[in-house]
Amino acid sequence: KAGVTQTPRYLIKTRGQQVTLSCSPISGHRSVSWYQQTPGQGLQFLFEYFSETQRNKGNFPGRFSGRQFSNSRSEMNVSTLELGDSALYLCASSLLDQKETQYFGPGTRLLVL
Amino acid sequence: AQRVTQPEKLLSVFKGAPVELKCNYSYSGSPELFWYVQYSRQRLQLLLRHISRESIKGFTADLNKGETSFHLKKPFAQEEDSAMYYCALSNAGNMLTFGGGTRLMVKP
Repeated sequence: KAGVTQTPRYLIKTRGQQVTLSCSPISGHRSVSWYQQTPGQGLQFLFEYFSETQRNKGNFPGRFSGRQFSNSRSEMNVSTLELGDSALYLCASSLLDQKETQYFGPGTRLLVL
Repeated sequence: AQRVTQPEKLLSVFKGAPVELKCNYSYSGSPELFWYVQYSRQRLQLLLRHISRESIKGFTADLNKGETSFHLKKPFAQEEDSAMYYCALSNAGNMLTFGGGTRLMVKP
């Protein structure tokens, strides 16, 4: 099976802009989670979607949002970008809905100037 | 609130030496604990999870609820074990809380 894919892989934006990142989970996986990875804060949970419903949300401002489509593909959006949003954004998918092994994508590296 | 602590940012050992990467957690319920590994230029991947009680690539980890620990061990380190290791806890849905990570360097 193909692994989790994320597009784009690299992105450069300026402060105040917005950005949309995309994630395609492994075929058959219905849970998609998003994480932010930075050198200072490490890996932090953003949100999780299962069957198009957001089930859990991390401690991030409302500028960070996401959604999941009926084919389980997911997008996350960050509005009004700040310099501190520069990070590697990881997407992970799981087959089932509880405490399952997560399979990670390669990430999208976002640089905000 | 749940928390995962990996006290060592860097652990350096010689090939053939035993390895122990420490992980402590705080959570009041019954968490599921994982070790994820990231080799150079590769994506984050599962190494093992406590519920399966497997040994993967010679690594084992035992959940100690009394000490709230989930240390990762290997009796004889190999150079190919050099990587970043993350301990993680799952308590709700598939949400993972990660520790800060430990970089393992195995010297020849």
